[in-house]
Amino acid sequence: AQSVAQPEDQVNVAEGNPLTVKCTYSVSGNPYLFWYVQYPNRGLQFLLKYITGDNLVKGSYGFEAEFNKSQTSFHLKKPSALVSDSALYFCAVTSNFNKFYFGSGTKLNVKP
Amino acid sequence: GAVVSQHPSWVICKSGTSVKIECRSLDFQATTMFWYRQFPKQSLMLMATSNEGSKATYEQGVEKDKFLINHASLTLSTLTVTSAHPEDSSFYICSASLPETPGELFFGEGSRLTVL
Repeated sequence: AQSVAQPEDQVNVAEGNPLTVKCTYSVSGNPYLFWYVQYPNRGLQFLLKYITGDNLVKGSYGFEAEFNKSQTSFHLKKPSALVSDSALYFCAVTSNFNKFYFGSGTKLNVKP
Repeated sequence: GAVVSQHPSWVICKSGTSVKIECRSLDFQATTMFWYRQFPKQSLMLMATSNEGSKATYEQGVEKDKFLINHASLTLSTLTVTSAHPEDSSFYICSASLPETPGELFFGEGSRLTVL
């Protein structure tokens, strides 16, 4: 069975501090992993993806994520958080690009 | 980048009526579009995969007679919620991908349906 777990409903961080949003996955076959961000009453925006190659991938707005096969994780990180980063973040996985499985989302709150 | 647009962004209707939501790929041709439903504070639930010129593939548990999907052209897919009831109130989101970047989904802005 394919699934994605985002163990934290909410992450609070002060502006300027590093942030991490956690994601673990379960998939049959090779995992292809994605992070999306959603602002209120909006659709999702693509942030970054891991398909193959370097385990550390960099994406939009200074975000990066590290694919860890042994821990089946794909945590989202940013060295210095901005208030404007406050949003809902979704991790997603697919093994065939036909179906994508999304986590339950993590609300990121960055306080000034 | 690829742009996907949904219309309407917000619709309120009476129970028993039908509502159509449009999803358009503005600057590319989308042979496949995906329809999701999102409940408050929950993840996206894939409802169906819409293929241009053929019948949609529905996920288990999704009533295809209630959620009619039509993908009549390479730039337009529609979701019609028939005989809507309050429990159908939700945020509906469509997405599409470019053949050259599989997996990089481009999402519409979403359509919030409220059934009174």
